[in-house]
This record gives sequence, C-alpha cells and structure tokens, in this order.
Amino acid sequence: GNSVTQMEGPVTLSEEAFLTINCTYTATGYPSLFWYVQYPGEGLQLLLKATKADDKGSNKGFEATYRKETTSFHLEKGSVQVSDSAVYFCALIDDKIIFGKGTRLHILP
Amino acid sequence: DTEVTQTPKHLVMGMTNKKSLKCEQHMGHRAMYWYKQKAKKPPELMFVYSYEKLSINESVPSRFSPECPNSSLLNLHLHALQPEDSALYLCASSPLSGGVETQYFGPGTRLLVL
Repeated sequence: GNSVTQMEGPVTLSEEAFLTINCTYTATGYPSLFWYVQYPGEGLQLLLKATKADDKGSNKGFEATYRKETTSFHLEKGSVQVSDSAVYFCALIDDKIIFGKGTRLHILP
Repeated sequence: DTEVTQTPKHLVMGMTNKKSLKCEQHMGHRAMYWYKQKAKKPPELMFVYSYEKLSINESVPSRFSPECPNSSLLNLHLHALQPEDSALYLCASSPLSGGVETQYFGPGTRLLVL
C-alpha cells in the first residue's frame, strides 16, 4: 500500500540556518504530494504541494521538488526563523490522504 | 478564501454528556472529513462525506455520530465518550472537482473527556 516516511525529529537549528526535512514515499501510480505545517495549538495548514514529477512547490521561503526517480519530496528553506518552529507533515493523496509521522522543528534565536 | 471554521475551540465533557462539534466551509467544496489527532501523531481519518453522503467510516465507534446537514456544514455528535477519546478533532474539506484533491483543514476542536 501507499506510505510516507519522514525523517525522525525533533530537529533543532539556529535562526538563519539551512533546513532540510527528508520525505520519501511509496505509491502505486502518481500521487500528488503535500507538506502541511502545524503550529503549536493549531490545526494543519497547507504549506505547499506538487502534482506531478519535477514540479516544485514553494511558499513562505519553503520549497520541495517532486522527484519520481528517488520517490522523494524533501522540504527545504534557506534561512529559518524562530516563527518556523512547528511540526511538519509530508503527505500524499491517492484515493485518500496518507501522512508521514511528522517532524518537529525547533528554531533557536 | 480557503477557510474552514470549527466550533468550539475547546470542549470539556463528562462521560455521560452529549455534545456536538461543528465545522463549516464556504469554498463550495463537496467533500468533508473528520480526523482525530492524538498528541505527537499525524491525523487519523474518521469519516468522509461526499456530496453530503457518508462515503467512508473508518470503523469508528458508534459513540461518534457524524452528520452533514448541507454542503457547507458538518457536525460530529458525541455521546458517552471515554477518556481515551480526548484529542484534537480536525475537520477538512476538498473540492471533488476531478482535479488534485487538496484538503484544507480547520483549526480543530480540542476535546477533553473527564
């Protein structure tokens, strides 16, 4: 069946550091891929998405590229801020949404 | 507007109480979802409504009863809950337009069962 694997957290970085959160997927067919972010005490917000191979999703300085050859959708940001501290979920949608386990990110000032 | 609203934001209830959670969207979406999220876990799907009809029930106990009165509104009726049902309950919606079914989530209702 379909699945999503994310790097285990928590990830702790200093402000202005470069961020990568790894995400790989297993799927039959060609699902759409998503990153959702959950700030403390809140619901999930769609951060970015990509619907086909080589698509790049981007939003708020975050980027992720749909790599079919490596079945990956890694999240990157060039310079993180304290306000980026949150839990990040990688997900795919085939007939229903499949979430990864989430990666908690702490940014230190 | 990509907003899904949920009320109440917080709810405390006893095991003999009956309460309801409410979810609303005005994006014209025809699919609506209920998820349960425990701490430090991803959301787990409970129910899916498509065109106001229940299309998926993920073997959820009958003490949770969903209702979709119209295309904009989704309720979750709660009765005789257990302490282990304490969680964040998230509502989501998606277009059912035949394209990419992006799901948009509400802020959630944080439920505590005493």
